[in-house]
Amino acid sequence: NAGVMQNPRHLVRRRGQEARLRCSPMKGHSHVYWYRQLPEEGLKFMVYLQKENIIDESGMPKERFSAEFPKEGPSILRIQQVVRGDSAAYFCASSRTTGAGANVLTFGAGSRLTVL
Amino acid sequence: AQKVTQAQTEISVVEKEDVTLDCVYETRDTTYYLFWYKQPPSGELVFLIRRNSFDEQNEISGRYSWNFQKSTSSFNFTITASQVVDSAVYFCALSEGGTGNNRKLIWGLGTSLAVNP
Repeated sequence: NAGVMQNPRHLVRRRGQEARLRCSPMKGHSHVYWYRQLPEEGLKFMVYLQKENIIDESGMPKERFSAEFPKEGPSILRIQQVVRGDSAAYFCASSRTTGAGANVLTFGAGSRLTVL
Repeated sequence: AQKVTQAQTEISVVEKEDVTLDCVYETRDTTYYLFWYKQPPSGELVFLIRRNSFDEQNEISGRYSWNFQKSTSSFNFTITASQVVDSAVYFCALSEGGTGNNRKLIWGLGTSLAVNP
């Protein structure tokens, strides 16, 4: 039973380019979360999605960032026109829908974005 | 406001020593969840424990134990007889919401533990 799969593990982009980070949740999990880990700042919530729905995007920057979780395929975190300040580790997590462990998040290994 | 404070930025111990990682939280909710995650040098985040606000019973899992004290808003983590493989950054996190449906975690800044041989 594969865990949360994120790719790419490392991504290098030049300023102004687009970054796309992908996340496949654990089997049986229908909730996906994206967190960003900035140096010296710790982990910050970005967005919470269910299939085809954004449930909570209160942590997403207002511009350049978007997330989706289509009916088929992985969740995508998209960053347009990247800037150096976007350099960070982006973690995806998934959880079950209901039940006692529904708010236990299983994390992927992270995608480390470097903007040159 | 919700907040998690891990006052210890870095801890260094010698193998076999016991070590306690502190976590203090702030919340206005009466129902909430507390978590510990481990981030080894490889970078992934590994779930260690979840505790809900109604369960103050301390928990032991092998060399790991957790002490939840609502009176002091603390959820401390102790590693007994530490090993080099315990070297990692440890995060404490808080989630609010009575139904458990709020899965937006508020994280501490982490404590970097180095266990030296």
